[in-house]
Amino acid sequence: TQLLEQSPQFLSIQEGENLTVYCNSSSVFSSLQWYRQEPGEGPVLLVTVVTGGEVKKLKRLTFQFGDARKDSSLHITAAQPGDTGLYLCAGPTYSGAGSYQLTFGKGTKLSVIP
Amino acid sequence: EAQVTQNPRYLITVTGKKLTVTCSQNMNHEYMSWYRQDPGLGLRQIYYSMNVEVTDKGDVPEGYKVSRKEKRNFPLILESPSPNQTSLYFCASSQERGPYNEQFFGPGTRLTVL
Repeated sequence: TQLLEQSPQFLSIQEGENLTVYCNSSSVFSSLQWYRQEPGEGPVLLVTVVTGGEVKKLKRLTFQFGDARKDSSLHITAAQPGDTGLYLCAGPTYSGAGSYQLTFGKGTKLSVIP
Repeated sequence: EAQVTQNPRYLITVTGKKLTVTCSQNMNHEYMSWYRQDPGLGLRQIYYSMNVEVTDKGDVPEGYKVSRKEKRNFPLILESPSPNQTSLYFCASSQERGPYNEQFFGPGTRLTVL
């Protein structure tokens, strides 16, 4: 199984600050996804990055896929309390017969303090 | 509303008492899977199903069974639960088996085995 390492594990910041979280692997992924999970709920997809070097923006969130497709980052500008949650990166690993499993990193738990 | 539902949401049981957690999706998705989420270990896949009557083991299948008799349902069965199966369980579905598949997650089932 290809591993995804996320850092930092925990992050607590003040409202209005900027932050970056990272997702790294020693393996090449065909794509990477970012999910956000709020307490008491299941993860929800934020974005999928597919091309090496790709940058996608979702309001104040900027996602980047590394040129070598082994890493990705999520940058949040002017964090808001509503950004609080667990951020998970995930990548497909081939499981045979044309099927792919989704391997998850352990996540970054973000707290934005008002 | 497109959704994945799980029941029950909370369950406390005793060692050895068989239980079933149900999962149903109304999106006509082919791919369904079960994950468990534990502190420090992240989301780990238990079983997945590419289509009706087709199931396969994920990363942590020991102690679990699944069945896929119809497309919309994918129950998780614990024949003889043990305390190390205390966890937060998520069912998920996706439209395709390909590497860009967005997973739609249910709300989770918190299981405690005493």
